[in-house]
Amino acid sequence: DTAVSQTPKYLVTQMGNDKSIKCEQNLGHDTMYWYKQDSKKFLKIMFSYNNKELIINETVPNRFSPKSPDKAHLNLHINSLELGDSAVYFCASSQDLGEKLFFGSGTQLSVL
Amino acid sequence: AQKITQTQPGMFVQEKEAVTLDCTYDTSDQSYGLFWYKQPSSGEMIFLIYQGSYDEQNATEGRYSLNFQKARKSANLVISASQLGDSAMYFCAMREGFNDYKLSFGAGTTVTVRA
Repeated sequence: DTAVSQTPKYLVTQMGNDKSIKCEQNLGHDTMYWYKQDSKKFLKIMFSYNNKELIINETVPNRFSPKSPDKAHLNLHINSLELGDSAVYFCASSQDLGEKLFFGSGTQLSVL
Repeated sequence: AQKITQTQPGMFVQEKEAVTLDCTYDTSDQSYGLFWYKQPSSGEMIFLIYQGSYDEQNATEGRYSLNFQKARKSANLVISASQLGDSAMYFCAMREGFNDYKLSFGAGTTVTVRA
């Protein structure tokens, strides 16, 4: 069983479209995250939810909207996609503060 | 300012040799945690090792060890007996304080193991 699974693995779309990435964890963790890895491999946090509550919202355009229907799921919706949104998006989870992150396999988003 | 600095963009190491990946960090918190992750070419992020700021001993996990020098604010990763499968990008990361849920990552170091 995959601990943190995200879909789709690849997403190719046109500028201006709206797309969603789904994430689910079966580890029973309380905290979930979205990280973005740019073309230079730099990883930066975007959002974090703890028990369905948004606790971290970094400087991210409001075209990006996370949604956590329950503790095990954290989805990322992106409106009006731009070329600069092309990146790998990682979902992750952790049990508690300070503990290691378990990452999903990433979603390669390409905006054409 | 960068919180995590990895100064080696790329390294080559001979199979079966040890390699040290440098990581320095910047924080004014007394409590923090340091992590190393591996990202192979397949793209997934794999947790390797963790060191807490109050841990007195250096962390070890199999062939991975963390050389933690608190006064110098460095947390170098040592991979012993390198294997071809160790070829990957390695990221150092830090969690600051007690109430911070996020990790700050360094720019990464690419390791290539030669046969």
